Amino acid sequence: SQTIHQWPATLVQPVGSPLSLECTVEGTSNPNLYWYRQAAGRGLQLLFYSVGIGQISSEVPQNLSASRPQDRQFILSSKKLLLSDSGFYLCAWSVKGATTEAFFGQGTRLTVV
Amino acid sequence: SQQGEEDPQALSIQEGENATMNCSYKTSINNLQWYRQNSGRGLVHLILIRSNEREKHSGRLRVTLDTSKKSSSLLITASRAADTASYFCATGGDYKLSFGAGTTVTVRA
Repeated sequence: SQTIHQWPATLVQPVGSPLSLECTVEGTSNPNLYWYRQAAGRGLQLLFYSVGIGQISSEVPQNLSASRPQDRQFILSSKKLLLSDSGFYLCAWSVKGATTEAFFGQGTRLTVV
Repeated sequence: SQQGEEDPQALSIQEGENATMNCSYKTSINNLQWYRQNSGRGLVHLILIRSNEREKHSGRLRVTLDTSKKSSSLLITASRAADTASYFCATGGDYKLSFGAGTTVTVRA
């Protein structure tokens, strides 16, 4: 069966520090991969999605970047965090092709102080 | 940008009652999906309805889709305390899902 791992679960980082959140998927190959951010009490904002290794599409220009160094690995990064980067970050995957069900990780609660 | 918008933003009901929430969207879709999120957790897929379908059932869930009005509804029948969560609609296009802001449902015992 397929599983998705996202870590860490919580993170407190100072302003100006770098960020690296990692997500890996098991039990499937060539998935679509996604990073979403959720502000407190709000919906999900799509940040990046990837349809293959090295292929990254950015939805919202901001202080973050994403990379997909391996088929089932998706990394969200920042060189210098801002206070506004605080939020709940969710990684997800779906089967390749037309949009179908998405499977979500448990999320990372990031607080920038 | 968010495609779907849920209504109401929050809903409080007694255990055993039905809960209905609505979703409106703006552009053409391939399908519409509903997800549940328990506090501080990831989202869990509940049901998918394709653009050529009008109604779909899954257990205590009933989803309708009206593409002419660009709207969908989710009905949870005979609610339980465990149904307390936020519910999101998501519209599917090529490669990606766009989510609404969600409806927070509280089921009182």
